[in-house]
Amino acid sequence: DIQMTQSPPSLSASLGDKVTITCQASQNINKYIAWYQQKPGKAPGLLIHYTSTLVSGIPSRFSGSGSGRDYSFSISNVESEDIASYYCLQYDNSWTFGGGTKLELK
Amino acid sequence: QVTLKESGPGILQPSQTLSLTCTFSGFSLSTYGMGVGWIRQPSGKGLEWLANIWWDDDKYYNPSLKNRLTISKDTSNNQAFLKITNVDTADTATYYCARIRRGGGVFAYWGQGTLVTVSS
Repeated sequence: DIQMTQSPPSLSASLGDKVTITCQASQNINKYIAWYQQKPGKAPGLLIHYTSTLVSGIPSRFSGSGSGRDYSFSISNVESEDIASYYCLQYDNSWTFGGGTKLELK
Repeated sequence: QVTLKESGPGILQPSQTLSLTCTFSGFSLSTYGMGVGWIRQPSGKGLEWLANIWWDDDKYYNPSLKNRLTISKDTSNNQAFLKITNVDTADTATYYCARIRRGGGVFAYWGQGTLVTVSS
């Protein structure tokens, strides 16, 4: 089984900050990683797939990068609507979510 | 427009079997490449993938739960199902179904989730 180690578990940011979340896979996942945003009481929403491909309609302040085992997700110029939890998902070999990162306002 | 909606018993007792239904529209599970997956989330915790079923009836299960899970579909009624046997309090969670496509591999469309509580 592929394990996904996501960090940090929580993150505090001010409006306008850039924040970065990382996910490390237990083996090479060939860029098959997606990122989700989840707000309280709601289902997760897909933001990015295949490492860096933005879903249609998602603002360009969201971005992803990485290769091999190491991947990152960034939000530049954090806005109040970005306050949420974020999860990575590897889908190279079966499916595994990272543990999540809760983004809060400083 | 793709929509999915989960339904379940709400509450059940330990050792019982949990039966969940996902009713969807906007796509067909008889179409090449289409699939439905189940994901759960205990309150305040992270997401856990459970199982996927594909248009060709291929099935994939989370290895840690495989012995307790059964996924199935009713193509004519646009439904997918998940059964979890011998539940205990650790199975208390919101259960989501989501659409997945071969070639994409990600859960792009999600239902609203259904809360299942296991309690004696």
